[in-house]
Amino acid sequence: DAGVIQSPRHEVTEMGQEVTLRCKPISGHNSLFWYRQTMMRGLELLIYFNNNVPIDDSGMPEDRFSAKMPNASFSTLKIQPSEPRDSAVYFCASSSRGPENTQPQHFGDGTRLSIL
Amino acid sequence: GQNIDQPTEMTATEGAIVQINCTYQTSGFNGLFWYQQHAGEAPTFLSYNVLDGLEEKGRFSSFLSRSKGYSYLLLKELQMKDSASYLCAVLDSNYQLIWGAGTKLIIKP
Repeated sequence: DAGVIQSPRHEVTEMGQEVTLRCKPISGHNSLFWYRQTMMRGLELLIYFNNNVPIDDSGMPEDRFSAKMPNASFSTLKIQPSEPRDSAVYFCASSSRGPENTQPQHFGDGTRLSIL
Repeated sequence: GQNIDQPTEMTATEGAIVQINCTYQTSGFNGLFWYQQHAGEAPTFLSYNVLDGLEEKGRFSSFLSRSKGYSYLLLKELQMKDSASYLCAVLDSNYQLIWGAGTKLIIKP
């Protein structure tokens, strides 16, 4: 079975540019999570969707970040304009969220983002 | 506030046993997860505990004490491939997952 698929795997761009990260969750999973991981701050939840609806975006750093889930098989995380402090590994994860959210999350391989 | 504490780094010897502790203070509790993350890779699920006691899964076991706000991950017969970070995460009263900073485990021959 295919796992969570993220693209691109690596992205290097100059500050001020728009960055779009993509995620395809595991088929049948109805919850999708976007995380950011850095050495300093560890794993941080940015936003999560349930049945394509954003449930909690309190972790989104600021208005430069936006996320969409137009359908059950695709989500994007966009940063515009990008800044050097956005450099991190961005993970997408999905789960078959039952009523108690106790199902494990399955992570994609991540996007390593470097903003110069 | 919500807080999860894990040691930053631990070192153990191949073939030995190691216990990685996790203490938590969260607004409510609906379960605790352990994840393994090798360097440069994604976290992968190891275990989920919601009731007190020990759950064994091969060389790995996870223990939970809700009254003490405490869990540990026990790794037996350590192998070099067990070198990784181990992340503790707690589901709070709103079923939101609160992540610890992780424990980097170094295995020496």
